[in-house]
Parts: sequence; structure tokens; C-alpha cells
Amino acid sequence: RKEVEQNPGPFNVPEGATVAFNCTYSNSASQSFFWYRQDCRKEPKLLMSVYSSGNEDGRFTAQLNRASQYISLLIRDSKLSDSATYLCVVDPYGGSQGNLIFGKGTKLSVKP
Amino acid sequence: DADVTQTPRNRITKTGKRIMLECSQTKGHDRMYWYRQDPGLGLRLIYYSFDVKDINKGEISDGYSVSRQAQAKFSLSLESAIPNQTALYFCATSAPTGTEAFFGQGTRLTVV
Repeated sequence: RKEVEQNPGPFNVPEGATVAFNCTYSNSASQSFFWYRQDCRKEPKLLMSVYSSGNEDGRFTAQLNRASQYISLLIRDSKLSDSATYLCVVDPYGGSQGNLIFGKGTKLSVKP
Repeated sequence: DADVTQTPRNRITKTGKRIMLECSQTKGHDRMYWYRQDPGLGLRLIYYSFDVKDINKGEISDGYSVSRQAQAKFSLSLESAIPNQTALYFCATSAPTGTEAFFGQGTRLTVV
């Protein structure tokens, strides 16, 4: 099982749609979890951290299920500007070993 | 100005040549990283450094070396470039444990 797995997509959705991305991770002891966004040919940027209790930032909601080793990102009311690749990122060691594990990303395309 | 600056942004080099990619950051963070990104493979860690005196190999360090010249500077060298090192290279920096990684804009390297 790969360390961090994501559905590569692409997800093609109309503006206003709700879209959900999922991610699974293999190391049950992993401590920190994130969603990053990467625009085409640009650097990844932090979208949001993922907390055990779930967290929301505007139209974005992230959830973590430690028992299932599963992370999700929900985007409501999609905008054209949401088109990007979304990277699921896991820190297995809570920063002590410097190794963020990146998923391969899920590509989202929001159409008019 | 960007918090993390990489030079050059694009480079074409010949097989067997030595090439250095440079990275500087103004975040004041101790931790710095070099990643490479290949289509379909996601981001993979090459080397990381927790401070000026600390250098660690990442997942794919073979064929690469690094130098941490100062807290703000971390360079990546390819001693003898080969075509399969053609990739998009990112430098990043972070504060300790579980916090955001800030990426440079990337260096697109082509080895012919």
C-alpha cells in the first residue's frame, strides 16, 4: 500500500457544484495532515491543516478519520478559481524527521 | 519579493555536466528542503536540513548533494547530470513540527 493515495482525477465539475476529494494514508501513527493546492506549473501552497475534530474554512471542509486512515476535503459552491491540483499531505513523525509525504494530487477543473 | 527564491527558474543542461540549484529564504526558518516533482509521481524529498550543521538524506538522494551555506541558503547540486534527473525542483522551508511548508517557485531542469 502506498504511503499516501489519492484519486488522480480529473474531476470536471460545473460552477456551484460540491466536490469531495479523498485520501488514505498507510502509517497509522501519522501525526499531522494537510491539504495543499498547486496551480499549474506553480508551487504548492497550504490550503488548510486537517484536525481530528474536522475543520472548516469558508467553502472548504476537511475531515480526518484516524480509525480508517482517511482524509477528506469538501469544496462547496465551486468557483472557476478553484481549478487546481489538490495534494493530500501527511507528516508521519510530527515534524521530527522532516519528511512530509505528498500524495500525487487530484486535479480539479471547474467549468462555467 | 517571494519568501523563498530559487535560481535559476529554468535550465537546460547536457548529460554529464555539473549543475547547482540555489535557494534562499527570508522566513527566518531553520528547516529547509529540496523536493523534485515528476508527472504522475508527486513530490519526493531529496534532502533536508534542520539547521546549518544538519543535513539529511531524503527518499531519493542518489545523484544529488547539498550545501547549507547559511540559515537562509540551501543549494542542491547534480554532480553529473543524467536525463532522468529532468524534473521540476522545489525548495521549501518550514518552522518546526506540524507547521506550514513554504515553497519556492520551482526550477524546471532539463537534462539532454
